[in-house]
Amino acid sequence: EVQLLESGGGLVQPGGSLRLSCAASGFTFSSYAMSWVRQAPGKGLEWVSAISGSGGSTYYADSVKGRFTISRDNSKNTLYLQMNSLRAEDTAVYYCAKHTMVQVVKGYMDVWGKGTTVTVSS
Amino acid sequence: DIQMTQSPSSLSASVGDRVTITCRASQSISSYLNWYQQKPGKAPKLLIYAASSLQSGVPSRFSGSGSGTDFTLTISSLQPEDFATYYCQQSYSTLITFGPGTKVDIK
Repeated sequence: EVQLLESGGGLVQPGGSLRLSCAASGFTFSSYAMSWVRQAPGKGLEWVSAISGSGGSTYYADSVKGRFTISRDNSKNTLYLQMNSLRAEDTAVYYCAKHTMVQVVKGYMDVWGKGTTVTVSS
Repeated sequence: DIQMTQSPSSLSASVGDRVTITCRASQSISSYLNWYQQKPGKAPKLLIYAASSLQSGVPSRFSGSGSGTDFTLTISSLQPEDFATYYCQQSYSTLITFGPGTKVDIK
């Protein structure tokens, strides 16, 4: 069974850092691009970042560019999101999602994790 | 960035109703448009990909159409389990964007 399990969320002060992880199982992890998508309380879905299957190409939403870094360890079947300089507006549930191709563009996200909650507050 | 809009933002419907949701892109995205369903407290679920292809396991009452800038999601006969929020998403660009969502609730 294809599964994604996020971890690493929690409460952090403004300006702080957090690293999210997404453990993948049930598929050949390196063959697929991956994304992080977040949802602030009561709001819609916002794509945050994506990475190609090899990890060689990364993409970011303007709202997080320069503060967040996406990476993956294909030997550990794990996706990461390093979040620095966190702001109150980064408070959200963060989902990882599997794409259907090794590249990010032109595909779609067919498997989603259950999400991990990040709260940025003093 | 490609901006996505949806209409309506919410609608009330009864079981058995035919429901249509519209999604519009700020520029042509060919058929690189996907639809997701999300229920409260749950992760999004893929319904339709490439504008009109039904994801495996999704009931046939869901259908999608359109290309270029204008797309629709249709539920032919609304069922109790279909009350949820629906999002469109473009994958034409590497900067992925979602529509703001359409909430479907019970009339």
